[in-house]
Amino acid sequence: GENVEQHPSTLSVQEGDSAVIKCTYSDSASNYFPWYKQELGKGPQLIIDIRSNVGEKKDQRIAVTLNKTAKHFSLHITETQPEDSAVYFCAASKRGTALIFGKGTTLSVSS
Amino acid sequence: SQTIHQWPATLVQPVGSPLSLECTVEGTSNPNLYWYRQAAGRGLQLLFYSVGIGQISSEVPQNLSASRPQDRQFILSSKKLLLSDSGFYLCAWSRPGQGKIYEQYFGPGTRLTVT
Repeated sequence: GENVEQHPSTLSVQEGDSAVIKCTYSDSASNYFPWYKQELGKGPQLIIDIRSNVGEKKDQRIAVTLNKTAKHFSLHITETQPEDSAVYFCAASKRGTALIFGKGTTLSVSS
Repeated sequence: SQTIHQWPATLVQPVGSPLSLECTVEGTSNPNLYWYRQAAGRGLQLLFYSVGIGQISSEVPQNLSASRPQDRQFILSSKKLLLSDSGFYLCAWSRPGQGKIYEQYFGPGTRLTVT
């Protein structure tokens, strides 16, 4: 079955810096890759996703890139702000199957 | 717009006691519904999913069960809780459609502590 690995497990940046979180997946048939942000004590919030027919997607300060050949995808956050501090999860899925999640990255943005 | 509710928000139960967690979705019809468990410092583990009333698929064998008595209601139950059942339980929904991939949206979660 699908396996998703996420790195790093923790990431600390200064406000205004960029943050990058990387995930790799094992099943080449996976074709949907969402990213979730989870604040303490709350449910995960979908922040951006990408499907395998595109290589990059942007939404303001957030972008996701996908390399199907290498089977990895990354979340990029530019101009980080303290409110970006949270746990970020990547996931992978293919048609008709459940989302498989990475173990999460705790991002800390200090001002 | 769609809204997903879970209750209770927190729950402390003794080992061996029963469990019932409820999830409801508003603003959509015939959604796909999911139960996940999140242990401390770990990712999300899918427990059950449902594509319609009375249709439940189990992903992980355990002492938990799920039921879908109404279109937008999903219930997670146990007859006898174990210490290992402690965790953060999340309900999620997606648009209907088997064999398709749609965005999943999560509820606020229930923090369960088994003592």
